[in-house]
Amino acid sequence: EAGVTQFPSHSVIEKGQTVTLRCDPISGHDNLYWYRRVMGKEIKFLLHFVKESKQDESGMPNNRFLAERTGGTYSTLKVQPAELEDSGVYFCASSRSYEQYFGPGTRLTVT
Amino acid sequence: GQNIDQPTEMTATEGAIVQINCTYQTSGFNGLFWYQQHAGEAPTFLSYNVLDGLEEKGRFSSFLSRSKGYSYLLLKELQMKDSASYLCAVGSSNTGKLIFGQGTTLQVKP
Repeated sequence: EAGVTQFPSHSVIEKGQTVTLRCDPISGHDNLYWYRRVMGKEIKFLLHFVKESKQDESGMPNNRFLAERTGGTYSTLKVQPAELEDSGVYFCASSRSYEQYFGPGTRLTVT
Repeated sequence: GQNIDQPTEMTATEGAIVQINCTYQTSGFNGLFWYQQHAGEAPTFLSYNVLDGLEEKGRFSSFLSRSKGYSYLLLKELQMKDSASYLCAVGSSNTGKLIFGQGTTLQVKP
């Protein structure tokens, strides 16, 4: 069984640019989560999809962040326009029940 | 508010036993999770406690006391490959989201 995959693994962009991160969950997992770890801080929840619906987006920092999950399969997280404080590692996780399987993360650097 | 505390760093010797403590204060509770994360890799699930008591899984055990807001992860017969970050997380009561502590970096020395 393939694990959670994320693309790209690294992204370096300039302030003001747009970046789109992609997450492919484990097949059959209805739950998909996005988390972020800013340097020196703990991993923080961003949002939760159940299939294609947003169940909880209470952790989204502001309206520069837009998440979608097309057809309940893969998900994208777009940051537009990116700011310096958006730098960090963005993790995606998927689950059938309580155990969440994490992807390796996308390291985003905004310069 | 939400608060999860765990030690920042710990060092132990190969073959020994180490206990990593975690205390939490959260507005909801739907289980206590432990994850292991090697540098640059994905966090991997180690254990889940929703009832009080000890859960054992091979060399790893996890304990929960809900009344005390306390958990620990016990690693026995330490191996060099156990050097990693150990993340304590509380499951939210409704949505399934995880609330993480900052993680404990464990260094295992020969």
